Amino acid sequence: QKEVEQDPGPLSVPEGAIVSLNCTYSNSAFQYFMWYRQYSRKGPELLMYTYSSGNKEDGRFTAQVDKSSKYISLFIRDSQPSDSATYLCAMSAGGGNKLTFGTGTQLKVEL
Amino acid sequence: SAVISQKPSRDICQRGTSLTIQCQVDSQVTMMFWYRQQPGQSLTLIATANQGSEATYESGFVIDKFPISRPNLTFSTLTVSNMSPEDSSIYLCSVKTPSVSGNTIYFGEGSWLTVV
Repeated sequence: QKEVEQDPGPLSVPEGAIVSLNCTYSNSAFQYFMWYRQYSRKGPELLMYTYSSGNKEDGRFTAQVDKSSKYISLFIRDSQPSDSATYLCAMSAGGGNKLTFGTGTQLKVEL
Repeated sequence: SAVISQKPSRDICQRGTSLTIQCQVDSQVTMMFWYRQQPGQSLTLIATANQGSEATYESGFVIDKFPISRPNLTFSTLTVSNMSPEDSSIYLCSVKTPSVSGNTIYFGEGSWLTVV
C-alpha cells in the first residue's frame, strides 16, 4: 500500500463547476499538507499549504484536512479552463523536509 | 517564494554518458533538494543537498549514480551518471524557504532528460 493515495483521473468538468480533489494517507506522522499544480512540461507550483486539521481558503481554492480520517481535499470553485493541469497532493512529517507525493490527478476544465 | 532556475531545461543523452544539472536560486536557502519524476509517476526525493558536506540520499539512491554538489547557499548540481533509458525522467530542484504559512517547499521548472 502506498503511503499516499490519489485518484489519477482524468477528471473532466465544465467551466464554472466546483472541483473536488482528494488524497488519503496512511502515515499518522504527517502534519504538513500541500497541494501543487503542475502544468504540462512545467515544474510543480505550490497552491496551498496547511498544517494540522481544518480548512484554509485562498481565493477560489479551499484546502481541507481531516487528520482523524487521514483524508485531505482541495476544492476549486468557479473552475476555469486555465485550471486544467495535474494536481499533486504532498505531505510531510516532523520538520517537513521530505515530501511524500500522491501520483497526481489530471483535471480538464472544458468550455 | 524563491525563483529557481535549472539548466539544462531538457536534453537527449546517449546511453552510458553522464549529465550534470545545475540549480541556481535567487536567494540564500538552507535546504535544497533533488527530486525525480519518472513518466506517469509522482515525485520521489533523491537526496538533500547539504552545503559544505556530502548529500543525504534516500533509500534506493546512491552517490555513485547521483553525485551532488552544494558549494554555497544558492547553487547545487546533480549528476546522473552512466545513464540508461530507465533514467529518462524529469529531475527537479527544490528549496525550502520561510513564508507567511511557515517553511514551504518550492520547485524549479525541471530538467527533462531522455536517454536513448
